[in-house]
Amino acid sequence: AQKITQTQPGMFVQEKEAVTLDCTYDTSDPSYGLFWYKQPSSGEMIFLIYQGSYDQQNATEGRYSLNFQKARKSANLVISASQLGDSAMYFCAMREGRTNAGKSTFGDGTTLTVKP
Amino acid sequence: EAGVAQSPRYKIIEKRQSVAFWCNPISGHATLYWYQQILGQGPKLLIQFQNNGVVDDSQLPKDRFSAERLKGVDSTLKIQPAKLEDSAVYLCASSLGGLGFSTETQYFGPGTRLLVL
Repeated sequence: AQKITQTQPGMFVQEKEAVTLDCTYDTSDPSYGLFWYKQPSSGEMIFLIYQGSYDQQNATEGRYSLNFQKARKSANLVISASQLGDSAMYFCAMREGRTNAGKSTFGDGTTLTVKP
Repeated sequence: EAGVAQSPRYKIIEKRQSVAFWCNPISGHATLYWYQQILGQGPKLLIQFQNNGVVDDSQLPKDRFSAERLKGVDSTLKIQPAKLEDSAVYLCASSLGGLGFSTETQYFGPGTRLLVL
């Protein structure tokens, strides 16, 4: 079974509007971390935001916030005030276990296009 | 601070040939990862090193792929012999490798684009 599911292959958003990218995950480990990465057309993977399974509050980093619903096993990324430079591929990832040695699993990504 | 370095950036080979990729992680990072990213898919972990020991290589096709990190710093990934389905981007990443909770992010290199003809 796929551990990270991103159901939106492609998304469009108007510049300056907010957009939500969906991510659901599956794990039986009570300890895990959830990550979002951005991959522009140039190919590099850029870390955006992290949420730990024991974190009480939703993570925020500038224009990025993570809508973490533990019971539903979802970790959606919200980008506020979209910019043209936000056009890229976005990946949700999970690391299981309590330590850095846990295995990382990535979803298949969502392509976001910001329209002027 | 210098990022994760990878070389070459591009490689075109014919099937059944061999190829090697090199990665130099961020200085001081104990954990090193190799990922395979096929077009249109997310990265798939091939192997994870903690210093010079292997933490996870469960998805590494060991009949043709090998990787080493002899001195716990830089690493090489080799494919021998290559198949058409090995065409992908090979990403190297590193993280600090602390023993605490898995909060550490991975820092990725620019990747090596491999085309097998």
